[in-house]
Amino acid sequence: QVQLQESGPGLVKPSETLSLTCTVSGGSTSSFYWTWMRQPPGKGLEWIGHIYYTGITYYNPSLKGRVTISLDTSKNQISLKLSSVTAADTAMYYCARMVGGYGSWYFDFWGQGTQVTVSS
Amino acid sequence: SYELTQPPSVSVSPGQTASITCSGDKLGNKDASWYQQRPGQSPVLVIHENWKRPSGIPERFSGSNSGNTATLTISGTQSVDEADYYCQAWDDTTGVFGGGTRLTVL
Repeated sequence: QVQLQESGPGLVKPSETLSLTCTVSGGSTSSFYWTWMRQPPGKGLEWIGHIYYTGITYYNPSLKGRVTISLDTSKNQISLKLSSVTAADTAMYYCARMVGGYGSWYFDFWGQGTQVTVSS
Repeated sequence: SYELTQPPSVSVSPGQTASITCSGDKLGNKDASWYQQRPGQSPVLVIHENWKRPSGIPERFSGSNSGNTATLTISGTQSVDEADYYCQAWDDTTGVFGGGTRLTVL
C-alpha cells in the first residue's frame, strides 16, 4: 500500500517562499505522476500541478509562475515551492499519486495533508 | 478557463438514492472522477474514468457521464456516506475540480 506524508513549516511569512516535501513509502517515485493540491479553510480543492517521474511538470496557470514541483527519486520525495505567498495561499496542502492516461488521470493515493498558514 | 459546477448541497434519507451532478462544457467528452471527503480527512477516490469503481469502494457508488453532465449516484445511502463530494476533470493538462457538494443524510 502506497503511503504519502507531507511535511514542512506550518507558518510562512507573506512574500516568502513556501516549501513542502512529500515522502512516499510502499512504492517508488520512479514511475507514475505525483501531484500537489490544496484546500483553503472551508473551501474546495484546487489542483496545483504535477510531475511525471521523467521530470516533466505541469502547473496551474492561475498560480502565475510561482510554483515549482521537483522530484528526488533517490529519497522518494516530491517537493513543492510556492513563491511570493500571500494570505490567499493559506490552505491544507495535499500530495497525491496520479495514475491513468492522458486526459483520464485520477488521484488514487493521498497524503494526510499539511496545514500552511501565511501570516506575519 | 474550464469550469465544473456542482450543487452546494444535496440531502437524502437513509436507504434512498442520492444523485450529485457535475456540469461542464462538453464534459461528456472528457473523463470525470469523483472524490469523497469526510470532515477532517483527506479525499478518497470513489469513481474514476466516469464509472469505474476502485477496489474497496462499495457497489452502491456508481457514475455516469454524458453531454454536459457527470453524475455520481449513491444507492441505498448510509449515514457513513455523509461527506463532501468533488468531481474532477482535465482541460488538456490542467486539472479542474468542481466546487464540491455536501451530502447530508437526514
